[in-house]
Amino acid sequence: AQKITQTQPGMFVQEKEAVTLDCTYDTSDPSYGLFWYKQPSSGEMIFLIYQGSYDQQNATEGRYSLNFQKARKSANLVISASQLGDSAMYFCAIGENSGYSTLTFGKGTMLLVSP
Amino acid sequence: EAGVVQSPRYKIIEKKQPVAFWCNPISGHNTLYWYLQNLGQGPELLIRYENEEAVDDSQLPKDRFSAERLKGVDSTLKIQPAELGDSAVYLCASSFRRGASTDTQYFGPGTRLTVL
Repeated sequence: AQKITQTQPGMFVQEKEAVTLDCTYDTSDPSYGLFWYKQPSSGEMIFLIYQGSYDQQNATEGRYSLNFQKARKSANLVISASQLGDSAMYFCAIGENSGYSTLTFGKGTMLLVSP
Repeated sequence: EAGVVQSPRYKIIEKKQPVAFWCNPISGHNTLYWYLQNLGQGPELLIRYENEEAVDDSQLPKDRFSAERLKGVDSTLKIQPAELGDSAVYLCASSFRRGASTDTQYFGPGTRLTVL
């Protein structure tokens, strides 16, 4: 099974609306972290938000929040009040401590925000 | 605080030529990563350094790729000779500690390599 699955190749949203980008993961490690990155056309991977597997609360960072459902193994990114500058590729990644001491990324979701 | 610096940003070479990429991590970050990103895919790890030691290079094609991290700071990734299939974006990242489940990796802008 894929460690990270992002089922939405592309998403469209109008400016000022909220959007949810899906991410499901697969791991047997009890301790792991989930990360979301944004990659605009310039190419740089920009860290957005982090959720630890033992965190009780869903992570929030400004307009970004992570809807963490541990039993379903999902970690969806919610962007509130979309802006034109949010148009980019979004990658979900998992970091595990056992076996793989690095990040494994999904294939990404392209988000386009229209005026 | 300065972010991860990479150079060059773009490189175009002919196949069979050598090429090198340079990375300067965030100050104080002991762990450095090189990733390969093919078009339409997420980044995949090539090699990870803890200070100057390469602790995970299982995905590095050692017949043509090499890397070094002198003095545990800057790092260089080299390809010799380059092949058409090496055309991709090469990303460098760094983090403070080595725990992948908790330690945020910060990425540089990447080097986009085109092999003709």
